[in-house]
Amino acid sequence: QVQLKESGPGLVQPSQTLSLTCTVSGFSLTSYNVHWVRQPTGKGLEWMGVIWTGGSTDYNSALKSRLSISRDTSKSQVFLKMNSLQTEDIATYYCAREDGGSAYYFDYWGQGVMVTVSS
Amino acid sequence: DIQMTQSPASLSASLGETVTIECRASEDIYNGLAWYQQKPGKSPQLLIYNANSLHTGVPSRFSGSGSGTQYSLKINSLQSEDVASYFCQQYYDYPWTFGGGTKLELK
Repeated sequence: QVQLKESGPGLVQPSQTLSLTCTVSGFSLTSYNVHWVRQPTGKGLEWMGVIWTGGSTDYNSALKSRLSISRDTSKSQVFLKMNSLQTEDIATYYCAREDGGSAYYFDYWGQGVMVTVSS
Repeated sequence: DIQMTQSPASLSASLGETVTIECRASEDIYNGLAWYQQKPGKSPQLLIYNANSLHTGVPSRFSGSGSGTQYSLKINSLQSEDVASYFCQQYYDYPWTFGGGTKLELK
């Protein structure tokens, strides 16, 4: 069945780089787009970026200068890297699969990984 | 960016009651709207897409409606397992944006 699972360090020092991995199963990264969405505790959801089936990417303009998304299709993994982390980046980070088709909603989500920024 | 305004921010209702949550877009999103349910400590789960299409496996007491800039999620005959936060998301225009959420509790 379709599964996504985020992994990565839960603690990042201020100004350092966050690196997260989303490992997927039950579908191919060359057939479905995968997005990253984050959620500060008790708050709403923010779309961060997407890696398209062809490997190209798009980012939220608010994060574009700090964010990079890549993948390894052979390992069914999508990577998120975001630099210059600050306390406002404290959030739970989710990867989510976009429903197959031309509509950009998310039919499967990972469990999320909580990231804290602190020295 | 398209702004999504959800109301109310919180809601208390009784078992068996009908509940309606609203979502207003800052411009016409042409039914490019999804609703998600998020239970405490869990990831969001898709309920509705294309404003009014029920996602596979979602109970029929959930329904979506609306057009233009105004959309709503209705829950008929509220059940205890419906206690959760609900978010709308527009996907008509990039970047995709979410409403601030509605926290639904039992009265």
